[in-house]
Amino acid sequence: EAQVTQNPRYLITVTGKKLTVTCSQNMNHEYMSWYRQDPGLGLRQIYYSMNVEVTDKGDVPEGYKVSRKEKRNFPLILESPSPNQTSLYFCASRTGTSGYYNEQFFGPGTRLTVL
Amino acid sequence: DQQVKQNSPSLSVQEGRISILNCDYTNSMFDYFLWYKKYPAEGPTFLISISSIKDKNEDGRFTVFLNKSAKHLSLHIVPSQPGDSAVYFCAATGPYGGSQGNLIFGKGTKLSVKP
Repeated sequence: EAQVTQNPRYLITVTGKKLTVTCSQNMNHEYMSWYRQDPGLGLRQIYYSMNVEVTDKGDVPEGYKVSRKEKRNFPLILESPSPNQTSLYFCASRTGTSGYYNEQFFGPGTRLTVL
Repeated sequence: DQQVKQNSPSLSVQEGRISILNCDYTNSMFDYFLWYKKYPAEGPTFLISISSIKDKNEDGRFTVFLNKSAKHLSLHIVPSQPGDSAVYFCAATGPYGGSQGNLIFGKGTKLSVKP
C-alpha cells in the first residue's frame, strides 16, 4: 500500500530534550516536506526536500532541522524543543520536478507536546 | 501576510443540499490550486485541483470554480453527505518552475453536514 508513515504519532516531552520525528514513504517520491498545523493558522511548511541531500527552508523553519540521506526518509529534528513547538506535525511527499503539480500525500500526523 | 484566505472557519449544511466553500488568494503568480480534506486524527487527503488555465473542474459530486480576475475559487459539493463532514483546506502554488511546487495553505473551513 502506498503510504507516508510517521513515528511517533504522539509525543510528550520537556523543554530542551532533543527529539526526532521520523517520516518514511514507499512511493519513490523525490519531494518531501514537513508542515505544522496550529489552531487558526492552518498548515505551514517547515522544510522541504527536492531530492536526496537537497533541503530548503519553508515558511517556519526556526528551531527545526531536517536531513535527507535516503530517498524514502525525511526526519524532522528538534535540537532543543520549546513550548511554542507544541503542534500537530505532518510529513508529505510527491513526485519531483516532473510532477510539480502532482498531489502531495500526507502522513497521519504526529502530535507533539513540549512542556 | 496571508496569501491564501479561507474567511469562513465553519459551515453547516443539511444533507442533500449544496455546500459551497470559498477561498481567496492574493498572489497573482499562483497558477495551480488544490483542495484537501482532513478528518480528525488523519492526514489531509487530496480532493480536487484546478489549473489557472481553466475556470472549472469537476469530479463526481465535487466541482471547483476559479475566477482569476477576482482571485477567488470555490468548492461545490452536491449533494452534501454526512461523510463529507471534515475540515477543507484550500492550497495554492506557482509559478511553475519557480515555486518548487510548494503549497501555501489557507486556515481551513470546518464543514458539518447534518442528517
